[in-house]
Amino acid sequence: QLQLQESGPGLVKPSETLSLMCTVSGDSISRSDYYWGWIRQTPGKGLDWIGIVAYKGTSFYNPSLKSRVTISLDTSRNQFSLNLRSVTAADTAVYYCVRDVRGSSTSCYDYWGQGTLVTVSS
Amino acid sequence: DIVVTQSPDSLAVSLGERATINCKSSQSVLYSSNNKNYFAWYQQKAGQPPKLLIHWASTRESGVPDRFSGSGSGTDFTLTITSLQAEDVAVYYCQQYYSIPLTFGGGTKVEIK
Repeated sequence: QLQLQESGPGLVKPSETLSLMCTVSGDSISRSDYYWGWIRQTPGKGLDWIGIVAYKGTSFYNPSLKSRVTISLDTSRNQFSLNLRSVTAADTAVYYCVRDVRGSSTSCYDYWGQGTLVTVSS
Repeated sequence: DIVVTQSPDSLAVSLGERATINCKSSQSVLYSSNNKNYFAWYQQKAGQPPKLLIHWASTRESGVPDRFSGSGSGTDFTLTITSLQAEDVAVYYCQQYYSIPLTFGGGTKVEIK
């Protein structure tokens, strides 16, 4: 059974970089044709799609975040990461790592991590 | 970006009664080449991540009870719970996956009356 688990700091200072890791068990991200990505959730704005990356190298990001975000795969550890630079209080959210249903950039998500709350505050 | 507008924000339904949630996308999410609507529904219970219920607008995920059904095409979609059970109390979200950035509706909170 595929499982995803987020990890990383729960508190980040404004203007710094938010870095999260997602550990995948039950499947190899290097063998799989799926897209792996991040979605965040805030009380005010709901669910916000951040971006996705596939083992074959293609990646897609939300244009609203594209200048600040990088999603990378670490196949040796079967993990993928999120880096969001120059954060503000508006980036405070629960961050979920996800896997898509059909191996496409335009897809929905059937596997989600439990989510991790990241607060941006000094 | 495709804007997905979900209604109502909340609704209270008696046990065994029908619950209906609507979503409208700002442009069609129907792909003419394969006649598929790139539209999904999720259920999120308190303290849990969203769970995919339906994709392609009307295809239930494995294990989802058949009291959940999705319908609609183009820009207008509906999630129906035909006989509400206590375990269906949750927030429901719709999502379009026709174009990037993928976008979600604002959510509908379903409670027991």
